[in-house]
Amino acid sequence: QVQLVQSGSELKKPGASVKVSCKASGYTFTSHAMNWVRQAPGQGLEWMGWINTGNGNTKYSQKFQDRVTITRDTSASTAYMELSSLTSEDTAVYYCARWRGSGWIDYWGQGTLVTVSS
Amino acid sequence: EIVLTQSPGTLSLSPGERATLSCRASQSVSSSFLAWYQQKPGQAPRLLIYGASSRATGIPDRFSGSGSGTDFTLTISRLEPEDFAVYYCQQYGSSLSFGGGTKVEIK
Repeated sequence: QVQLVQSGSELKKPGASVKVSCKASGYTFTSHAMNWVRQAPGQGLEWMGWINTGNGNTKYSQKFQDRVTITRDTSASTAYMELSSLTSEDTAVYYCARWRGSGWIDYWGQGTLVTVSS
Repeated sequence: EIVLTQSPGTLSLSPGERATLSCRASQSVSSSFLAWYQQKPGQAPRLLIYGASSRATGIPDRFSGSGSGTDFTLTISRLEPEDFAVYYCQQYGSSLSFGGGTKVEIK
């Protein structure tokens, strides 16, 4: 069965960076793009970007373009999302989410809570 | 960038009632690229509807989606206790975006 298992919670200071991992299993990793979506406390879903896990091409939301880097390690079937220059407004649950390829997300990771606090 | 506006923000209904949720796009969206998700507290979202009207695997037939162009609707024909949750629409055009969500709460 398809599983996306994310790394654990993080506590970061303002100005720092965070890197979240997402290990995929149960399917061919390079056959589906991977999205990253975040959700601030009590707020809605916000798309950050995605990676074509086959060729490594990325597309980012304009909002995060300058601060986010999404990468992947095909040998480990793992995608990564790194967000830099963190502020308290980046406190959120970060999800990886598999792209169905036809216009929707079919599987989600369990989420990783990133807390930014001094 | 296409902006999705969901209404109402909160829907207060009783079990057994019909729920009608709206998702309006700032530009025309291909029906193929409109999806709906359900999210319960402390959980990741779950795919309900894709291609505007196709139910995902395992989704009960009380959930239905419709619409085209800029106006899309998610209907829950008879609310079950487990249906009280937040619902999001999502589009994929040149980029991907979500609506702000509709909370369906118990009246």
